[in-house]
Amino acid sequence: DAKTTQPPSMDCAEGRAANLPCNHSTISGNEYVYWYRQIHSQGPQYIIHGLKNNETNEMASLIITEDRKSSTLILPHATLRDTAVYYCIVRVAAGNQGGKLIFGQGTELSVKP
Amino acid sequence: GAVVSQHPSWVICKSGTSVKIECRSLDFQATTMFWYRQFPKQSLMLMATSNEGSKATYEQGVEKDKFLINHASLTLSTLTVTSAHPEDSSFYICSASGLTGELFFGEGSRLTVL
Repeated sequence: DAKTTQPPSMDCAEGRAANLPCNHSTISGNEYVYWYRQIHSQGPQYIIHGLKNNETNEMASLIITEDRKSSTLILPHATLRDTAVYYCIVRVAAGNQGGKLIFGQGTELSVKP
Repeated sequence: GAVVSQHPSWVICKSGTSVKIECRSLDFQATTMFWYRQFPKQSLMLMATSNEGSKATYEQGVEKDKFLINHASLTLSTLTVTSAHPEDSSFYICSASGLTGELFFGEGSRLTVL
């Protein structure tokens, strides 16, 4: 079973920041928080991952609470092409037998003009 | 960045035939690959974990004799849907784990069984 909960859908205005929340209250100490997104009829695309520190890359920022029980993915300037289903997943990093990704239902983000 | 390629991207077959889907890691070696299935408007469901040189590990409820997985090299894993039936029609997606901890996904293969 997925170990995360996300709102099923969200809307965001084009050009504004999209903040996607995720709860993972049962996360273990060695589990990372991963974010992927899936545009219709394509394979999931990696966005970002983190353990406990906030992370930023060219696509997004990841804010993880101090207790690690929740996180927020931030798309700073959403565009229409960011419309997708966003999945928040907890996973033990590569190198461990348990490193598989179990997908929950994700959040369907709609970016509107 | 790392790329995972699937082939074919779509396939239509008759009921009772077998279909093979290939998953290749193009610029990195993947000791572990994962196979997922996705039905319309649903999330991805993990089917099995494929380890190079050993037998695949199947998730509960997935028939190993129906979904044959072979991971013969560090860059190739194959999924064969044997004796396919219309209910096997789905979007099949593979992913591969690189050394940096990310999992990269293929483009997916859409199977339609008539």
